[in-house]
Amino acid sequence: EVQLVQSGGGLVQPGGSLRLSCAASGFTVSSNYMSWVRQPPGKGLEWVSLIYSGGTTYYADSVKGRFTISRDNSKNTLYLQMNSLRAEDTAVYYCARGGWLNWGQGTLVTVSS
Amino acid sequence: QSALTQPASVSGSPGQSITISCTGTSSDVGGYNYVSWYQQLPDRAPKLMIYDVSNRPSGVSNRFSGSKSGNTASLTISGLQVEDEADYYCSSYTSSSTYVFGTGTKVTVL
Repeated sequence: EVQLVQSGGGLVQPGGSLRLSCAASGFTVSSNYMSWVRQPPGKGLEWVSLIYSGGTTYYADSVKGRFTISRDNSKNTLYLQMNSLRAEDTAVYYCARGGWLNWGQGTLVTVSS
Repeated sequence: QSALTQPASVSGSPGQSITISCTGTSSDVGGYNYVSWYQQLPDRAPKLMIYDVSNRPSGVSNRFSGSKSGNTASLTISGLQVEDEADYYCSSYTSSSTYVFGTGTKVTVL
């Protein structure tokens, strides 16, 4: 059974950093493209970042230069390193497997002083 | 990258059919057959309902169908049921090798 289990959310001050994790089972992360998507409270979905199986990465303009997507093949886990966080980054963050069939449960990131 | 445009809300009575539109540009919806549709219940992760414009994942009811014409994709729900009440989003691959989501549509079953 395919599963994506997320961890790492929480409360962080503006300007701070946080790393989200997405542990996969039932498939190999490095053989798929993987994405991060976020949803601010009460608002719509926003695509954040993507890593292809070959390692190429892409980012939304709103996070470019501040967020970094990566993976650890030995742990079969996807990460999102978030630096220089702003209030507008407050959202539930989801990881998703390429093709969008499988999603993590979501983790809330709150940026506030 | 601007969000794809969806109607804020669509409603229908049980048994009726409704259609949700998703309008983009030639750089996203119009340029690729990589449009997907998702159903999101409150406080839940999105669920894939349609991929590659018109394909249904295993387990998704055949009451859900997708199509595309030019820069606009559409999701049709036939035989509307109470359990279809949810938020629906579209997404598309883009010419920048990124993805973009729609603004979202709240479906209400009257």
